[in-house]
Amino acid sequence: ELKVEQNPLFLSMQEGKNYTIYCNYSTTSDRLYWYRQDPGKSLESLFVLLSNGAVKQEGRLMASLDTKARLSTLHITAAVHDLSATYFCAVVKNTGTASKLTFGTGTRLQVTL
Amino acid sequence: EPEVTQTPSHQVTQMGQEVILRCVPISNHLYFYWYRQILGQKVEFLVSFYNNEISEKSEIFDDQFSVERPDGSNFTLKIRSTKLEDSAMYFCASKGTGGETQYFGPGTRLLVL
Repeated sequence: ELKVEQNPLFLSMQEGKNYTIYCNYSTTSDRLYWYRQDPGKSLESLFVLLSNGAVKQEGRLMASLDTKARLSTLHITAAVHDLSATYFCAVVKNTGTASKLTFGTGTRLQVTL
Repeated sequence: EPEVTQTPSHQVTQMGQEVILRCVPISNHLYFYWYRQILGQKVEFLVSFYNNEISEKSEIFDDQFSVERPDGSNFTLKIRSTKLEDSAMYFCASKGTGGETQYFGPGTRLLVL
């Protein structure tokens, strides 16, 4: 059974600081995703990481993937309040093109002034 | 920009009643999914659907659940006899052929009393 774990579960950080969220998964995976969820809202796709060593950046967020370590990181640079949300990583195992997403536990990020 | 839509946004029902949650996937997408998220918990896969049949379903998706694509645009999730533990946010998602990302709808918050 594929398991996906994130840490920390909750992160409170000051504006302007840097931090990293970690996502570990238990078995070989084809693809890894990062989603953002605001309270009571849907999931917004942030990044899709398709291969070992992949790195993607959008604004203050940068995601990377190490398939050998089965680890992805989401790095936050110079956090701002607007980044406050819950961040989920999700993994697809190679079960075909209709493959389901297995989500991590989520990291609730709170950026304070 | 195309988006997944869901109706209703909120539904309150009595235990034992049937509910139908509706989704309109992005128009040229061929892969459809239902996920649910119990309050404060992670997102869980329910079922995937492709070519007018279920591709995969989780243990949660028991005989009380069914999915249907009654016409060219709608994708529905039916819960035949709701239980208290079915209370959750239900998300529909869709994915295009050759696409990597599943796009999520805004969700239906279901409350079973």
